[in-house]
Amino acid sequence: DGGITQSPKYLFRKEGQNVTLSCEQNLNHDAMYWYRQDPGQGLRLIYYSQIVNDFQKGDIAEGYSVSREKKESFPLTVTSAQKNPTAFYLCASSARQGAGETQYFGPGTRLLVL
Amino acid sequence: AQSVTQLGSHVSVSEGALVLLRCNYSSSVPPYLFWYVQYPNQGLQLLLKYTTGATLVKGINGFEAEFKKSETSFHLTKPSAHMSDAAEYFCAVSPSGNTPLVFGKGTRLSVIA
Repeated sequence: DGGITQSPKYLFRKEGQNVTLSCEQNLNHDAMYWYRQDPGQGLRLIYYSQIVNDFQKGDIAEGYSVSREKKESFPLTVTSAQKNPTAFYLCASSARQGAGETQYFGPGTRLLVL
Repeated sequence: AQSVTQLGSHVSVSEGALVLLRCNYSSSVPPYLFWYVQYPNQGLQLLLKYTTGATLVKGINGFEAEFKKSETSFHLTKPSAHMSDAAEYFCAVSPSGNTPLVFGKGTRLSVIA
């Protein structure tokens, strides 16, 4: 089945620790996205990538980093600089980045701070 | 910059009643518009999408939305609510050019038996 997988489902971070969230897609999509979801705030864009080896900052990129070394993979690292990382993180992909393109979402990773 | 406003962070309806979730957008050019649904602790699923052509768009699970350019609205409706419709609903606009989707803050729909 084609789709987007995110792992782990739950992730715990200790103070000062970097953690990496995995996102993989087998839809052969060029574009991939990371969103952060907090109650009552909707989805906020962290980073997106239109093509391999290229990515752009979204609205709330501070404290996060990404890489796009392979078309199917777009991991997100939550660094120790992100002081309030507790949230639900959603990865998405689209065939390409452009007006009207539908984004397809993974099941999400919930990050909690110990 | 384009934006989306969803009126009402929480809407409660009785089972069998009409569902109406409101979405207004700001856009200087004809937009592409989306509605997504999110069930608890899951990702978002596309309900329907407006690109061009017919202004009444039918989606999955009996939902539909009407694009009204004069009102800059794209409200989501369903004639008869089911308990399984309880979820959070997000309206989104696709700006022109190369910018990703812009999402509203979401409306949580509760269905009362």
